[in-house]
Amino acid sequence: AQKITQTQPGMFVQEKEAVTLDCTYDTSDPSYGLFWYKQPSSGEMIFLIYQGSYDQQNATEGRYSLNFQKARKSANLVISASQLGDSAMYFCAMTLYAGKSTFGDGTTLTVKP
Amino acid sequence: NAGVTQTPKFRILKIGQSMTLQCTQDMNHNYMYWYRQDPGMGLKLIYYSVGAGITDKGEVPNGYNVSRSTTEDFPLRLELAAPSQTSVYFCASSYGPTGNSNQPQHFGDGTRLSIL
Repeated sequence: AQKITQTQPGMFVQEKEAVTLDCTYDTSDPSYGLFWYKQPSSGEMIFLIYQGSYDQQNATEGRYSLNFQKARKSANLVISASQLGDSAMYFCAMTLYAGKSTFGDGTTLTVKP
Repeated sequence: NAGVTQTPKFRILKIGQSMTLQCTQDMNHNYMYWYRQDPGMGLKLIYYSVGAGITDKGEVPNGYNVSRSTTEDFPLRLELAAPSQTSVYFCASSYGPTGNSNQPQHFGDGTRLSIL
């Protein structure tokens, strides 16, 4: 069975600094996708970034980048130049080819002015 | 551009009552999902569907049923509501197989359900 582990329940970062949110995963399936979503206090789920299991390069989307280390089964999210609006809960998720998805328990990020 | 629409947004049920949470999407997505999110926790997959007529259990299917008669609709049924089913329920959809392809899930706004 697949599993996602996010070991940081809460993180603080100073505005304009970078922060790394940790995510490790476990699956025996060779084909999978890793996703990060943001959930602000308003409750909606916002897609941030994707990394495929066969991708050779780390994904980047604007201020978001994904540090993908396949051998360690980790997919950490890096947010550069943090903004106050980045304060939210962040979820790491994995989806297998057949569609079954697993989410981590999330990390609450607070950006300090 | 509606995306994924969930109704109702809020509901209070009494123990033992039944209800259906509605979910519809207008993006012609093949894959649809139901999740529950307990306070301060991540999303747990209840059921998912890879196309009309095909459904499969997720991590926490007990106490729930689904059907997928059309591409657009994926209702979630609670037959005998229990306090443990108090949660926020999210419906999501994606275009195709999301494993190893950049097909993120698009989420509805959620249904906040309380069972008293």
